[in-house]
Formats: sequence, structure tokens, C-alpha cells
Amino acid sequence: DAKTTQPTSMDCAEGRAANLPCNHSTISGNEYVYWYRQIHSQGPQYIIHGLKNNETNEMASLIITEDRKSSTLILPHATLRDTAVYYCIVRVGAGGGADGLTFGKGTHLIIQP
Amino acid sequence: DTAVSQTPKYLVTQMGNDKSIKCEQNLGHDTMYWYKQDSKKFLKIMFSYNNKELIINETVPNRFSPKSPDKAHLNLHINSLELGDSAVYFCASSQGLGQPQHFGDGTRLSIL
Repeated sequence: DAKTTQPTSMDCAEGRAANLPCNHSTISGNEYVYWYRQIHSQGPQYIIHGLKNNETNEMASLIITEDRKSSTLILPHATLRDTAVYYCIVRVGAGGGADGLTFGKGTHLIIQP
Repeated sequence: DTAVSQTPKYLVTQMGNDKSIKCEQNLGHDTMYWYKQDSKKFLKIMFSYNNKELIINETVPNRFSPKSPDKAHLNLHINSLELGDSAVYFCASSQGLGQPQHFGDGTRLSIL
């Protein structure tokens, strides 16, 4: 799995959009970008994933640059419950990769009231 | 309706004991995993289990053994517990290899 680089921590005001960047300059053509988060004392939670097109679901949007070397996770209206560690993970998609996820240090996102 | 459930939530035991952690998923998933999160909060894969094929992370001591009685369960047995085994252990499942994973809330293991 390709390596990712994320800022250690970020602050965001409640109600504003939280934009979490991730660099993955060594991503391979068959690797997807996955985002998970871990709220304190809970298990990791899947958020979204994508290959090259931008993706949106009920939780967030994922913007992937055209060269696929970086991406941004967007939480459109952050709430206090979004305070968590956010992990950007690059790996092969469905049908491949018998091993588990490789978690880095992630970004600790703190939503300020 | 908890999708991935682990028991117990907390486990405190003495060094040298043998213990088990149970994991059940009601999502109908084909693949299950065990992860370990240490005191520095790093999450590492221990095992993945898909269609009776077990993939073992080579760094996991053989004192740890996963056992799957059926597709919905993947239990973790730990023999001769050591102080360094203190951690939070997470079970997860996915529809198949490479699919998004759903995690349980973890089992906090403390070795005295």
C-alpha cells in the first residue's frame, strides 16, 4: 500500500466546512483513496473512498486531484461530534488486497464551538 | 442492532493466563479481521480471514490464534499473556477483500 502524509492536527469552527488534506504521491493506478475516522474510545468508522472521480455521500465529499497525488476530505458542516482522528489510506479496491488496512498517524480534527 | 460486536468490552487479567475475545458480525460479510491498537494509538492489522483462508501478519506472535466457527464469527485466542499484550483489540468485517471495513468498539485488554 502506498504511503500517505497528513497534518498532525487541525482546528475547525462548528458549522464551517472542514477540509482535511492528504498527500499520496506514490499512489498506483489500481489503488483507491479511503478515509476512515476514529472518535475517542470507539472503533474506526468508514467515511468514503474513491479512485479518481470526486465522490460524495451523506457523511462527506472526497476531492481527488487530477494527477491523483493528493486528495481532500470535506465535511461540509462540521459539528462537535466530528471531533476525531481522520485517517487517509491508499490501497487496492474490491477484489484485491488480502491484508488489512495500514493506518498511519492520521489528522486529529478538533471542532471548536 | 450492532453490526460488529465484541465481547468482552474490558478484560483485565494476569500475566501468563490464556484468554479469548469474541467477535460477531450480523452484516453477512465474507471477510473478518483483527487489529491491535497500542498505547501510542497505532492501529495494526493482525489477521484477515476470508473463505477459510487466514492471512497472518508476520509480526504477530504465535501465541495469538484466530478461530472462526462460522462466517459470522472470528474469535481471538491469546495464550500465555504478556505485559506487552495490553492494548485495545478491534474486530472488523467487510463484504469482501478490499471492500470498506466495519469495526467493532474494541476490547480493552489490560495485563497485570
